[in-house]
Amino acid sequence: DIQMTQSPSSLSASVGDRVSITCRASQNINSHLNWYQLKPGRAPKLLIYAASSLQSGVPSRFSGSGSGTDFTLTISNLQREDFATYYCQQSVTAYTFGQGTQLEIK
Amino acid sequence: EVQLVESGGTLIQPGGSLRLSCAASGLTVSSNYLSWVRHAAGKGLERVTITYADGTTFYADSVKGRFTISRDNSMNTLYLQMNSLRAEDTAVYYCARDRNTKTTLAEYWYYDLWGRGTLVTVSS
Repeated sequence: DIQMTQSPSSLSASVGDRVSITCRASQNINSHLNWYQLKPGRAPKLLIYAASSLQSGVPSRFSGSGSGTDFTLTISNLQREDFATYYCQQSVTAYTFGQGTQLEIK
Repeated sequence: EVQLVESGGTLIQPGGSLRLSCAASGLTVSSNYLSWVRHAAGKGLERVTITYADGTTFYADSVKGRFTISRDNSMNTLYLQMNSLRAEDTAVYYCARDRNTKTTLAEYWYYDLWGRGTLVTVSS
């Protein structure tokens, strides 16, 4: 299986900050990388697919980059509703997810 | 509104059986790729199983032989039959739709629609 490693596992930031979360694949996955936002009691939300494509309806402060094995999710101008847990996922084969990054209010 | 709504989660003893349901509206289960994905507390997400539009299924090694995914097209509902449950099956179970986007370079797959999940707790 392809292993996905996210960092950091947790992150504290303030409203208005810019933060980045990284995800590393154990082998080349080209651009087959997606990012999701999870909040308790809510349906998970797709943010970015194909490494850098913004899902319809997702604010433009979210952006994704990378290819091969190294990827980044960047959130600019953090809003209160962005404090959540974020997961990367590879979709090359037998989908696997990272361990998650919990974004907390400082 | 396009949505998926899971139900059926509960507290159940190890070795027991449980069936989860995922009712779809605004989409047809028979023509979509649908997955069950679980999230155990303190752990990452795990795709448990997927059913393709042609009926082909795939299972994670951790549930193979114990879980079965199925569809009732008349009810427009996806199911997950879980047998021989173990403590490590404790998780929130989500149903999710697989979608794809094709470019000249590749075909990219992702979960574009999820339900809110249903909690399964396996404990004595």
